[in-house]
Amino acid sequence: ILNVEQSPQSLHVQEGDSTNFTCSFPSSNFYALHWYRWETAKSPEALFVMTLNGDEKKKGRISATLNTKEGYSYLYIKGSQPEDSATYLCASPNQAGTALIFGKGTTLSVSS
Amino acid sequence: DVKVTQSSRYLVKRTGEKVFLECVQDMDHENMFWYRQDPGLGLRLIYFSYDVKMKEKGDIPEGYSVSREKKERFSLILESASTNQTSMYLCASQGTSGSYEQYFGPGTRLTVT
Repeated sequence: ILNVEQSPQSLHVQEGDSTNFTCSFPSSNFYALHWYRWETAKSPEALFVMTLNGDEKKKGRISATLNTKEGYSYLYIKGSQPEDSATYLCASPNQAGTALIFGKGTTLSVSS
Repeated sequence: DVKVTQSSRYLVKRTGEKVFLECVQDMDHENMFWYRQDPGLGLRLIYFSYDVKMKEKGDIPEGYSVSREKKERFSLILESASTNQTSMYLCASQGTSGSYEQYFGPGTRLTVT
């Protein structure tokens, strides 16, 4: 089973702080890296799908980078807001390419 | 917008009952998935299906079965519910072109007493 690891497990920041978390994955046979945001009482929603080494994607105050050679991706949130409170999941396809393997997630809590 | 719906948000069942969790998607996606989410363990894949009447075991299929008679519907079946199957169950669908992102339903919180 391909291991996708995320750190930290949880994070608590103040409104306005910038923060980042890490997703690591096996770099061999890389195909894609997905980031999802899962807010309480809602469905997980896709943030980014990244495929190219060095890729950087941005959606508002959230951005992500990808290093396929060393097997990690960073998710950055600039100027955190309470509405950013959620669990952030990363995932990578399994070796057969038939399903996603998810990390355990980073739970972010932003206090106002 | 893609919509994935699940039959119940909350469900309480007794040990030994047969439980059906239904999932329907409206985007004509080929692939559908069932996950369970438990604290500290993340999302774990139970079963997936890449076509009607086709199914593949995921990482934790024991105690579960699935049915996909129509493309839009994917059912998860607990033949004889046990307390260790108390969990949040999420269904997802995925197309076979484009970004391959998965679209999730709202989840079913199942409690087995």
